[in-house]
Amino acid sequence: GAGVSQTPSNKVTEKGKYVELRCDPISGHTALYWYRQSLGQGPEFLIYFQGTGAADDSGLPNDRFFAVRPEGSVSTLKIQRTERGDSAVYLCASSPEGTGSTEAFFGQGTRLTVV
Amino acid sequence: RKEVEQDPGPFNVPEGATVAFNCTYSNSASQSFFWYRQDCRKEPKLLMSVYSSGNEDGRFTAQLNRASQYISLLIRDSKLSDSATYLCVVMNFNKFYFGSGTKLNVKP
Repeated sequence: GAGVSQTPSNKVTEKGKYVELRCDPISGHTALYWYRQSLGQGPEFLIYFQGTGAADDSGLPNDRFFAVRPEGSVSTLKIQRTERGDSAVYLCASSPEGTGSTEAFFGQGTRLTVV
Repeated sequence: RKEVEQDPGPFNVPEGATVAFNCTYSNSASQSFFWYRQDCRKEPKLLMSVYSSGNEDGRFTAQLNRASQYISLLIRDSKLSDSATYLCVVMNFNKFYFGSGTKLNVKP
């Protein structure tokens, strides 16, 4: 399909391990967002890319979280030394541009469980 | 203070009822406004954009009041399939800010 694709759909990991979450945005979309959603809450902003660069990473909770988008398309969210509190659904969204009134299209998310 | 605040509900209404949700936003410089719908264990999907002049899409009407910094969504003739969580979304400086969502349960 032509939508935003996220892999894996589910990830269970042990506390302290490293994980990578992948997002493949809609082709041609220059803006890419990572959000985190906990049960009963709305999505919480983590980081925004415009092209290859992280235009705003103010939502990353601490230095265990890092994201890259080296070629301006696929993005990887990396979490080091995972903690149980990192358990959530990680959503990726893309948008044709980062400004204006264009909507964001979401992937189905990666459900991360840290045990 | 949160960027976007919504009543979490749930709103439990019978089929055919009219139901309204409001949300408020804190940044008066916010640029764009949306309502998203999220079904259980699914990703958010755009329901409609919200314009200052108000806009309607079938049974759904959205309004924006910039002076009071609130956004509303009205659903007429509720259907069972309208049961979902409705997320109020505000765009500031290229970032989308989400409310915590309002849960709607439409009962037969």
